[in-house]
Amino acid sequence: DGGITQSPKYLFRKEGQNVTLSCEQNLNHDAMYWYRQDPGQGLRLIYYSQIVNDFQKGDIAEGYSVSREKKESFPLTVTSAQKNPTAFYLCASSTIAGAPWGEQFFGPGTRLTVL
Amino acid sequence: SQQGEEDPQALSIQEGENATMNCSYKTSINNLQWYRQNSGRGLVHLILIRSNEREKHSGRLRVTLDTSKKSSSLLITASRAADTASYFCASGGTSYGKLTFGQGTILTVHP
Repeated sequence: DGGITQSPKYLFRKEGQNVTLSCEQNLNHDAMYWYRQDPGQGLRLIYYSQIVNDFQKGDIAEGYSVSREKKESFPLTVTSAQKNPTAFYLCASSTIAGAPWGEQFFGPGTRLTVL
Repeated sequence: SQQGEEDPQALSIQEGENATMNCSYKTSINNLQWYRQNSGRGLVHLILIRSNEREKHSGRLRVTLDTSKKSSSLLITASRAADTASYFCASGGTSYGKLTFGQGTILTVHP
């Protein structure tokens, strides 16, 4: 089965803790993305990576960090510096070569709740 | 900030009716895409229309693009209860590899 997996599905965090959300894809896609979605809202881009060992900040990167050590994996860490982290987090991937703004494939999401 | 604005925010129709959703954007684009999201799930790509295209069809979906007005519309014909979902437009072209998503339209189709 090809696709994107995210884990865990639900995550609870105490204030002051860092947590890491996992995103793995076996689609052999070059680019990977992290979005945040708040209730009734659209998606806002947190970070994106077009190639291994390189990533760029999106529109709301403050309080988040990422790494891209492998093509298949793009974990997102929500740090204690993120003031309002409770949200639905979506990971996506896409091919870049020849179609830089092409279709993105999404994972099922992780719902993070701060207690 | 979100480049795309969608209208209406919510749409409620009966099964068999057509549903039309509109999207506006602010800057030049390479393409415009529409995605669907069922409640609590990830997004699923529906259709992509390039900036040099005016209309595109896929099954019961019809998308139009008017670059002079910086707007697009998604028409779902003969809607079904299973079409109940949120629909998002996403524009590509403001920055390499990035899509900018609209706020979404919540569509409810009553059986």
